[in-house]
Amino acid sequence: GAVVSQHPSWVICKSGTSVKIECRSLDFQATTMFWYRQFPKQSLMLMATSNEGSKATYEQGVEKDKFLINHASLTLSTLTVTSAHPEDSSFYICSAETGLGNTIYFGEGSWLTVV
Amino acid sequence: GQNIDQPTEMTATEGAIVQINCTYQTSGFNGLFWYQQHAGEAPTFLSYNVLDGLEEKGRFSSFLSRSKGYSYLLLKELQMKDSASYLCAVRMDGGATNKLIFGTGTLLAVQP
Repeated sequence: GAVVSQHPSWVICKSGTSVKIECRSLDFQATTMFWYRQFPKQSLMLMATSNEGSKATYEQGVEKDKFLINHASLTLSTLTVTSAHPEDSSFYICSAETGLGNTIYFGEGSWLTVV
Repeated sequence: GQNIDQPTEMTATEGAIVQINCTYQTSGFNGLFWYQQHAGEAPTFLSYNVLDGLEEKGRFSSFLSRSKGYSYLLLKELQMKDSASYLCAVRMDGGATNKLIFGTGTLLAVQP
């Protein structure tokens, strides 16, 4: 079964509204999680590193005020797309590392469509 | 910046062997991963290399040359279900945080 769970799997929202996506580690504690965005036929682009109990670290070119990340517990990170626009429509996916060996687990991904 | 390059698309025949190359130029290196991704799904782990050489796992093998900034994924006895995108990713050495930077991805089409 999945060890990293994302919710929702897909969401449609109106332009200008905000959408929250959750990423949970189910069987382990993750002090660090990562958020990626993937446009159709493109690779995964790292958006930010989510750190439990501290501010997220954003990659160059990613607006921190638009993509709010909260990592309030060792098993949950959330990504909020604020004031969403159609160009934010994408596949958002999170990952977490167990810290044991080199295993990195990905969530199932969340499809966001902004209309 | 970080550059991780792969061929955009490849086509191969069922039962054959295909090699997907990945070249990288990154400011840090703490291992290279290969993932398979079917459209609309999360990536699934295939292999991990941190030392030079070949890692074999069933029909899949992965090779790494750190001095050349080069890796390849070898798929043997291709099956139709192997049609997917293949992503190489470099794990950056960031101390406590080892983030993955993905390559451009290679879309593999397996034909009968």
